[in-house]
Amino acid sequence: AAGVIQSPRHLIKEKRETATLKCYPIPRHDTVYWYQQGPGQDPQFLISFYEKMQSDKGSIPDRFSAQQFSDYHSELNMSSLELGDSALYFCASSRAPNTEAFFGQGTRLTVV
Amino acid sequence: DAKTTQPTSMDCAEGRAANLPCNHSTISGNEYVYWYRQIHSQGPQYIIHGLKNNETNEMASLIITEDRKSSTLILPHATLRDTAVYYCIVRVTADSWGKLQFGAGTQVVVTP
Repeated sequence: AAGVIQSPRHLIKEKRETATLKCYPIPRHDTVYWYQQGPGQDPQFLISFYEKMQSDKGSIPDRFSAQQFSDYHSELNMSSLELGDSALYFCASSRAPNTEAFFGQGTRLTVV
Repeated sequence: DAKTTQPTSMDCAEGRAANLPCNHSTISGNEYVYWYRQIHSQGPQYIIHGLKNNETNEMASLIITEDRKSSTLILPHATLRDTAVYYCIVRVTADSWGKLQFGAGTQVVVTP
């Protein structure tokens, strides 16, 4: 069965650079969630989208922005990267906001 | 959202049943209990969820007490591949966009 696809799987950026993470949800899923997981931490909710509109917002820094496109894929844009942004970033999708969410394999971002 | 309390860690012998407890004493009537697991640095994997009835699928069984203040996830025949962090999450579904709030889960180690 098709799963959530995230790209790239690994990314290395320097401080103050910009990064873009992409998420392709399971077909016919209209809801996307983004999570950040720092080293030794539990996943933290960043932001979610339903039908291409932002639906909920968590502890997402102002330097980060995200959107969901007409084909339901989503992108997380991160600017002025800091060392503390080094983390695993997971995307999840669900066929509706309150149904089971399925996660991708994540993007490991390293800021040097 | 209601908070959950789980043991920090548990060991289980391969082939035996693993019973993972979760306390959610402040759960509300419209909140579901979800279980996810995360195998080292992989994306969280959906296991099962329920509202008040016991649930079973190909992966596990979920037993919810009658007062809904606690639940137990049962892995019937643990294998080495079940070694993971298991998260019990209470999820609001009414007037909510369905985000999952991960707390401190249980590190389960299955030993030969």
